[in-house]
Amino acid sequence: DSGVTQTPKHLITATGQRVTLRCSPRSGDLSVYWYQQSLDQGLQFLIQYYNGEERAKGNILERFSAQQFPDLHSELNLSSLELGDSALYFCASSDSPVDTQYFGPGTRLTVL
Amino acid sequence: QQQVKQSPQSLIVQKGGISIINCAYENTAFDYFPWYQQFPGKGPALLIAIRPDVSEKKEGRFTISFNKSAKQFSLHIMDSQPGDSATYFCAASNPGAGSYQLTFGKGTKLSVIP
Repeated sequence: DSGVTQTPKHLITATGQRVTLRCSPRSGDLSVYWYQQSLDQGLQFLIQYYNGEERAKGNILERFSAQQFPDLHSELNLSSLELGDSALYFCASSDSPVDTQYFGPGTRLTVL
Repeated sequence: QQQVKQSPQSLIVQKGGISIINCAYENTAFDYFPWYQQFPGKGPALLIAIRPDVSEKKEGRFTISFNKSAKQFSLHIMDSQPGDSATYFCAASNPGAGSYQLTFGKGTKLSVIP
C-alpha cells in the first residue's frame, strides 16, 4: 500500500458528461501528479501540483482540469467526455517537487 | 514522438532465470531513471532508480545497468520467481524545470513460469 488513495475505484458514465476524480496524497507529501494509462498511449503525464500551485503540465486536454486544495488533496475534472477518454487515471505523490513518486491504485473510467 | 523506447513487449522466463528488459531514451536532459512494477488492478510501484552518475545499481535481485553514451539502461532480475510476473515500466525525467514528471516506456509484460 503506497499511502495514496483514489476515489472512486471505478466510474462508468456516458459521452458528453463530466466527472471528478479525487486523490489524497501520502501524509506530508506536497506534490501531486496525475497520469493517464490507456492501451494505445501507455502511461502519460497529465499535470502536477505542488502545495496548491500548478508546477508542470503535460499532455492534458483542454477539457480536463485539476486543482489541489489547502488540505493537499487533488481533484481531476474531466468534461465533455468522449469514448477515447476511457482509461485508468493514476495519481502519484511525492514530498517535494523533485522526488520519488508513489502511485495510488487508480480510477478506472469507462465512457459509454 | 516516443522519448523512451522499451523492449521487449513481453517476456517469458523460467523460474530461476534472468529477466532482462531494455530501454533507450532520446532526451539527453533526462537524469533520473526509475523502474516501476505494476500488477493487474494496481498502481505502478517504484522498484529501483538510478541517476547517470553511476553505471550500475543493485537492490536485492534487481539491478539497473546504465550506459550514458549509448543512452540506454536496462533492468536485470536475477533468480526470477513466479511472483515477479507483472508489467515493468522504465521511465525517465528531467527535473531541471523543478518537476519529476515521468516519461514512461510502453511496458514489458513478464511471465515467470515454474
